[in-house]
Amino acid sequence: EAQVTQNPRYLITVTGKKLTVTCSQNMNHEYMSWYRQDPGLGLRQIYYSMNVEVTDKGDVPEGYKVSRKEKRNFPLILESPSPNQTSLYFCASSFGGGDRQYFGPGTRLTVT
Amino acid sequence: AQKITQTQPGMFVQEKEAVTLDCTYDTSDPSYGLFWYKQPSSGEMIFLIYQGSYDQQNATEGRYSLNFQKARKSANLVISASQLGDSAMYFCAMREGGSGGSYIPTFGRGTSLIVHP
Repeated sequence: EAQVTQNPRYLITVTGKKLTVTCSQNMNHEYMSWYRQDPGLGLRQIYYSMNVEVTDKGDVPEGYKVSRKEKRNFPLILESPSPNQTSLYFCASSFGGGDRQYFGPGTRLTVT
Repeated sequence: AQKITQTQPGMFVQEKEAVTLDCTYDTSDPSYGLFWYKQPSSGEMIFLIYQGSYDQQNATEGRYSLNFQKARKSANLVISASQLGDSAMYFCAMREGGSGGSYIPTFGRGTSLIVHP
């Protein structure tokens, strides 16, 4: 089954404790991206990747890191999480940058 | 300035009636694409429909159609014969550049639709 998986689905952590949210797709897509969703703000892009080892900042990259060492994986790293990073995070992938995106199920992160 | 504007934070519709969700966009690129996604209460994002800027006809997918008015820069989603399962958040998104380009879509803030029995 074609899908995008994210782990964990739910995470509660404390300020400053490094964490990684994994994202994997099995559709051989070139493009992957991370979004955060906050009430009233819709989805805002954090980072995106056009291919292995090629990443670029989205609209709200501060406080986040990404890497794309393999085509299927695109982890999101929070080196020192803060409460303002409490949000719902989505990973998405697509064949091309302009194509419809396939979304993961989301990761709800709470930073206390 | 917002590139995608959804002016209706919330909408209500009676079951079996049609409803239109508004979306206006802002771009100077002649090549662009418009998407609609649905997010039910379970949280997943579901692709509904796509319209390219050069498409001659309005896109349709089952009960979903896109009322594309290029001169007005609007791409409204029309849901016919609403069902209770249509209750969800709906997001309009746009990507600029050709379909093979490297641009990633930007999203509007969403419209919450509630279908009443």
